[in-house]
Amino acid sequence: EILMTQSPATLSVSRGERVTLSCWASQSVSSNLAWYQQKPGQAPRLLIYGASTRATEIPARFSGSGSGTEFTLTISSLQSEDFAVYFCQQYNNGPPWTFGQGTKVEIK
Amino acid sequence: VQLAESGGGLVQPGGSLRLSCGASGFTFRSYWMSWVRQAPGKGLEWVANINREGTEEKYVDSVKGRFTISRDNARNSLSLRMNNLRVEDTAVYYCAREFLGVGATFDYWGQGILVTVSS
Repeated sequence: EILMTQSPATLSVSRGERVTLSCWASQSVSSNLAWYQQKPGQAPRLLIYGASTRATEIPARFSGSGSGTEFTLTISSLQSEDFAVYFCQQYNNGPPWTFGQGTKVEIK
Repeated sequence: VQLAESGGGLVQPGGSLRLSCGASGFTFRSYWMSWVRQAPGKGLEWVANINREGTEEKYVDSVKGRFTISRDNARNSLSLRMNNLRVEDTAVYYCAREFLGVGATFDYWGQGILVTVSS
């Protein structure tokens, strides 16, 4: 089973700031990496797949990069609606298809 | 695209429950489907998936032999039969569609249904 690790657990930021979230895989997952956003009481929403491809209707301020074992999600200018928990997920080796533990982006 | 779960609730340890997910707005029979769960205040855990025809099923080790995923393409419905439930199965269970042509990543999710296993 591939272990996904996210850092940091919590990030306190101000609106308009650039935000960088990190995700590591315990072994290579190639570019088979997705990012999700989850707000309280809601289901997750797919943001990025293939490590860097934005899903439908995802704003351009969200971007993903990386391959192999190291991945990054960047929000270029944080908006109010972006305060949420972000999860990475590998779909290269499985089952099981595994998620990171999440990074909470909160208001500073 | 809409996915709507039903069938959750409170059950005692060792009990059984059947979750259902009704799908609409897309060609259900063309997609692999999954169940993903989230324990209270915790992260996401993939539980099981099923192929388009309903002939191939995969499970996370912790539910193998206890949970059964199935589908009815004529009714656009996905199910999860859960037997011998444990306290650690307490979670919100999401029905999720797998992204066509991409793999086991999830482009649409239901709103989730809470399953509580407690005496």
